[in-house]
Amino acid sequence: QVVLTQSPSASASLGASVKLTCTLSNGQSNYAIAWHQQQPGKGPRYLMKINSDGSQSKGGGIPDRFSGSRSGAECYLIIARLQPEDEADYYCQTWGTGSHRMFGGGTRLAVL
Amino acid sequence: QLQLQESGPGLVKPAETLSLICSVSGGSIRTSDFYWGWVRQSPGKGLEWLGTVFYNGATQYNPSLKSRVTVSVDTSKNQFSLRLTSVTADDTAVYYCAREVRYNTGVADATGFWGQGILVTVSS
Repeated sequence: QVVLTQSPSASASLGASVKLTCTLSNGQSNYAIAWHQQQPGKGPRYLMKINSDGSQSKGGGIPDRFSGSRSGAECYLIIARLQPEDEADYYCQTWGTGSHRMFGGGTRLAVL
Repeated sequence: QLQLQESGPGLVKPAETLSLICSVSGGSIRTSDFYWGWVRQSPGKGLEWLGTVFYNGATQYNPSLKSRVTVSVDTSKNQFSLRLTSVTADDTAVYYCAREVRYNTGVADATGFWGQGILVTVSS
């Protein structure tokens, strides 16, 4: 069973960029992942999917400031030109071969 | 525009059964393109996938909860449901219904759409 590891917290200044990391255990670089945003008091919102080859597809209405990439088992969510509304929890998700969906522990992003 | 709306009791007694319904509007549940599932979030904690159903009734469950979880579908009402038996205080959480992309091979993909969630408290 794959485990997704995220740093519990991150911070960056308003207008700056930040890179959040999600690491797949056992070097599972062949698994796609998704990123979700959860603003305070709200339900999660799908941001994007990053395939094993690094290609990505975003959900509808997701600003261009949000992008993703990966290097093997390390997957990244990059947020440029940080806005106050970007202050949220960010979760990565994978579904492996499709029988068991798993989430990372989440990263709480503070916009300073 | 797709909407997923959770409904059900906000308070359940220990040892009883938690039952929730997710009503789907703006799209048909009877499609081969998606799975329909449940995810929960305990207070101050992360997300935990519970289980998923296909419109034909086929299910997949989180192994850690499999003995207590049932997810079912009612295509006539465009709804799907969650039952969690023998609840304890540890089952207190916000429960989200969600839609997952499904490939025609049957393989699931990302959770692409979420409901707003419903808080269920387990307490006597």
